[in-house]
Amino acid sequence: NAGVTQTPKFQVLKTGQSMTLQCAQDMNHNSMYWYRQDPGMGLRLIYYSASEGTTDKGEVPNGYNVSRLNKREFSLRLESAAPSQTSVYFCASSEDGGGGNSPLHFGNGTRLTVT
Amino acid sequence: KNQVEQSPQSLIILEGKNCTLQCNYTVSPFSNLRWYKQDTGRGPVSLTIMTFSENTKSNGRYTATLDADTKQSSLHITASQLSDSASYICVVSAPGIRVTDKLIFGTGTRLQVFP
Repeated sequence: NAGVTQTPKFQVLKTGQSMTLQCAQDMNHNSMYWYRQDPGMGLRLIYYSASEGTTDKGEVPNGYNVSRLNKREFSLRLESAAPSQTSVYFCASSEDGGGGNSPLHFGNGTRLTVT
Repeated sequence: KNQVEQSPQSLIILEGKNCTLQCNYTVSPFSNLRWYKQDTGRGPVSLTIMTFSENTKSNGRYTATLDADTKQSSLHITASQLSDSASYICVVSAPGIRVTDKLIFGTGTRLQVFP
């Protein structure tokens, strides 16, 4: 099994450009997440999806949109990139909604630089 | 405010030595505590998950302990190997209603193992 697959692995954008980060999981999980990781800070939740067709804002949703295309795929879109969005982005999935005993399964991240 | 604090921020040890990483939390109520290992350039991978009633849990050379009364956890690594060089992240799960209340991440301890 591939687990959680993220594309692209690296991306450089100019301020104002847009892009979509793709994520797919093959574990039949209902819950999917987008996190960002910045130096010296813990992982911060951007958006969460409990099931196909539902999404909820996390701790830092401003400047981002998401789409839960189907049970497998959860994409993150930056409509107008800003230097503050330079970060490493991780997609994750789990059997339950985070408060239970199921672990999160993470992808290997997308390293985004906005100049 | 629910918080998870880890110490030390970084640690250097020689191959073959043991080490202990600390995690203190103020999350209440509490569902479980998780330890993740994150290799450089990769996503976090689950090591252990402990519920309120578990005092210790092992995964190979990794042993996690939990004292729910003092709200402290430790991760002990025995006979360290070069492949143990990574960041170790403590995550506390809470039975919150909002997804942002359910998983609280520490900032991690970066461990470097030298030959």
